[in-house]
This record gives sequence, C-alpha cells and structure tokens, in this order.
Amino acid sequence: AQSVTQLDSQVPVFEEAPVELRCNYSSSVSVYLFWYVQYPNQGLQLLLKYLSGSTLVKGINGFEAEFNKSQTSFHLRKPSVHISDTAEYFCAVTSDTGRRALTFGSGTRLQVQP
Amino acid sequence: NAGVTQTPKFRVLKTGQSMTLLCAQDMNHEYMYWYRQDPGMGLRLIHYSVGEGTTAKGEVPDGYNVSRLKKQNFLLGLESAAPSQTSVYFCASSQTRDGYTFGSGTRLTVV
Repeated sequence: AQSVTQLDSQVPVFEEAPVELRCNYSSSVSVYLFWYVQYPNQGLQLLLKYLSGSTLVKGINGFEAEFNKSQTSFHLRKPSVHISDTAEYFCAVTSDTGRRALTFGSGTRLQVQP
Repeated sequence: NAGVTQTPKFRVLKTGQSMTLLCAQDMNHEYMYWYRQDPGMGLRLIHYSVGEGTTAKGEVPDGYNVSRLKKQNFLLGLESAAPSQTSVYFCASSQTRDGYTFGSGTRLTVV
C-alpha cells in the first residue's frame, strides 16, 4: 500500500516570496508522483508529474518539483509567488504495479498575501 | 473534446433519499475512478473500475454502489443518503499510469 503525507495544511506567504510545499510518500515499489492545484470552487488541474528520468520536474505557472528517492519526497517549489497562486495543492502517488488509482495527500492551502 | 463529464454539478438530497451520479468519458479509457473530497482529507477513493463490467472497492466504499455497464460510463449510487455523504465527488479516468483526467466535480449536500 502507498500513502502520501503533506506536512503543512496551510502555508501563508507574501507575494513575490519563494515557497516550498512539502510532500512525502511511502511505497515499496517504483512510483509516479503528481502535483495538482485546485482553485476555489473548481476542479483539479495538473501542475506537473514525475514518471522517470530527471529528478527535477518543471511544470506550469513557474512551479517545479524535485524527486528525492532516498528521502521519499517530492517537494513543490516556486521562486516567486503571485496572488493568483492562492489555491489548494495536492500531492498524489501511484505505482507501476497494483492498483492504478492515485492516492492523494490531504492538501496544502497556499495563501499569498500582498 | 469533452474529456470527463459529471452530472449533475450540484444536488441537495434529504436523508434517506437515493440518487445516481453519472460520469461519462469520451477518451476510450479502460480505468475509471470515483473520489470524494472533504476538507482537510484530500481526495479519497470510493470505488474504481479496470474495465467494462468490472468494479472494485477503494478506501471508503461504505454506503455507495457503482456500475460500469458501458466502457464510457461509470455510475455512483447512493441508496440511502446520509449527512456524512455531504461532499464533493470527482470522477476520473485513465488509460496509462501517467495520465489521469478529472471531471469538474459534483457538489452534494445531504440535509
């Protein structure tokens, strides 16, 4: 079985500051990792995903994430946030064997303040 | 180019009523999923299907039933709604492990 832990339920940050949203996973097999963003009253939008290869993954809206196998982490970063980045962010994992469904973390609410 | 369509988008039910949520995908995906989203809990898997005519339980299946009679449709049923089933429900589909398409969600309130 796999699981995802998002360590911070809320992250307040000032506009133009850098941000890191933390995600740790547990799985005994090779994993595929995803970050999704959900704006208020909307559905899920894929930010980026790690399948294999380079451990640094770049996504939309200036976000990037780094896969660290030894620390079982997949933290999301942005060097300079905007007010429009205020949203909830979900980390999710699946593996290359077993059930295909994504397992999600509990989410991190990013609050960008002017 | 609809992707995954969920109907209805909103619904209010009284305790004990029944209803069916419909998920339709036009991408010929084999795999389909139903999730519920609750504050502070992320998305939790209710049921899923690995192909037409198949269904399987996820983490929170109690109180729900599903059917996949046609490949493109995945139905989620509530036989006797309870206030604890107030949630936002998302359907998703996939063909490979690297691509999942989500619907826009159904907001269900049980009073």
